[in-house]
Amino acid sequence: DQQVKQNSPSLSVQEGRISILNCDYTNSMFDYFLWYKKYPAEGPTFLISISSIKDKNEDGRFTVFLNKSAKHLSLHIVPSQPGDSAVYFCAAHHFGNEKLTFGTGTRLTIIP
Amino acid sequence: KAGVTQTPRYLIKTRGQQVTLSCSPISGHRSVSWYQQTPGQGLQFLFEYFSETQRNKGNFPGRFSGRQFSNSRSEMNVSTLELGDSALYLCASTPGHLNTEAFFGQGTRLTVV
Repeated sequence: DQQVKQNSPSLSVQEGRISILNCDYTNSMFDYFLWYKKYPAEGPTFLISISSIKDKNEDGRFTVFLNKSAKHLSLHIVPSQPGDSAVYFCAAHHFGNEKLTFGTGTRLTIIP
Repeated sequence: KAGVTQTPRYLIKTRGQQVTLSCSPISGHRSVSWYQQTPGQGLQFLFEYFSETQRNKGNFPGRFSGRQFSNSRSEMNVSTLELGDSALYLCASTPGHLNTEAFFGQGTRLTVV
């Protein structure tokens, strides 16, 4: 039962353009969402998060949008840079049981 | 501030053997979570320990177990290893609540042959 889904296993974007990574969830008890970035041979690193009471959070080139009615969130990276090439995981925090559920990840490749 | 330290980084074991992985969280962090990463499966939650107590458990068989010590260091044990246990095992630490930024270690790459 995959409660957090990232339906695009991979995405290629030209340098300087916008990268949009998507994530869908099914559990209404998720109250906090986080994005992590992972390079090969390293652990994931935190990127940006959003509370379920908000619909947008911005941090520099990174913006996360949350559509609660659609149970959908997206991460926008603009402008995309070669160093952004990595695997991106979205994660959802479950209210009450302190559990963090991860999606399967999207491999982003930025083309110079 | 030192980061999350996982040892060993790489491990090769034979089917049927058992293995113990170690995780030292960031100083002051009381929660340690363990994840298994395999290609196409993302990060699968194994269990979480908080103040030496298992607070959460994922859907893994009983061959996977863990514990946390009073200094918050955690160990994960897998008994009777199977080929399908080959994966990257990651641990993450937070001060106590997982809706805040979790800091991950570099992982232990386990290969079962």
